[in-house]
Amino acid sequence: GENVEQHPSTLSVQEGDSAVIKCTYSDSASNYFPWYKQELGKRPQLIIDIRSNVGEKKDQRIAVTLNKTAKHFSLHITETQPEDSAVYFCAASKSDRGSTLGRLYFGRGTQLTVWP
Amino acid sequence: DARVTQTPRHKVTEMGQEVTMRCQPILGHNTVFWYRQTMMQGLELLAYFRNRAPLDDSGMPKDRFSAEMPDATLATLKIQPSEPRDSAVYFCASGLEQFFGPGTRLTVL
Repeated sequence: GENVEQHPSTLSVQEGDSAVIKCTYSDSASNYFPWYKQELGKRPQLIIDIRSNVGEKKDQRIAVTLNKTAKHFSLHITETQPEDSAVYFCAASKSDRGSTLGRLYFGRGTQLTVWP
Repeated sequence: DARVTQTPRHKVTEMGQEVTMRCQPILGHNTVFWYRQTMMQGLELLAYFRNRAPLDDSGMPKDRFSAEMPDATLATLKIQPSEPRDSAVYFCASGLEQFFGPGTRLTVL
């Protein structure tokens, strides 16, 4: 099956700086790459996703890039704010049994701390 | 506001007792996932369903765990008998993009 690795496991940045979290995947058939944010004691929430026919996607201060050749994708957060502090999970998925998407394989998460 | 709901939100029980967790997926979503989250193991997929049929339950200990979708609006995860190592937060997620429910925090004493 798919194997998703995520780095770093912890990341501390000063407010206003940028943060980058990187993930690699093993299955070249994977074609969907979402990112989730989980605040303490809350549910993981989808914040951005990218499909394999796109190299980059932006949504305000967050962006995701995908390099299919190298099988890695990254989350970029610019102008970080204390409320960005959370655990971020990457995941990968591929088409499954006739459906457009199958199960997700998650990375282990990155604890991001943004200091004011 | 379409959201996944889960009940109960918290459950404390004693070892050996049966635990049933329920999930109501977002209306119209035909794919439902069950995850377990612990500090040590992270997010683990236990099982998932499409159109109420189980597609993959390989992550679930078969001797004590069972998952069903009696209808399109209800998914259940049952543990019988429960053990202290089952203590975790159990999430249900709905839809291909996987919108997560609030979770059930289970503590088995």
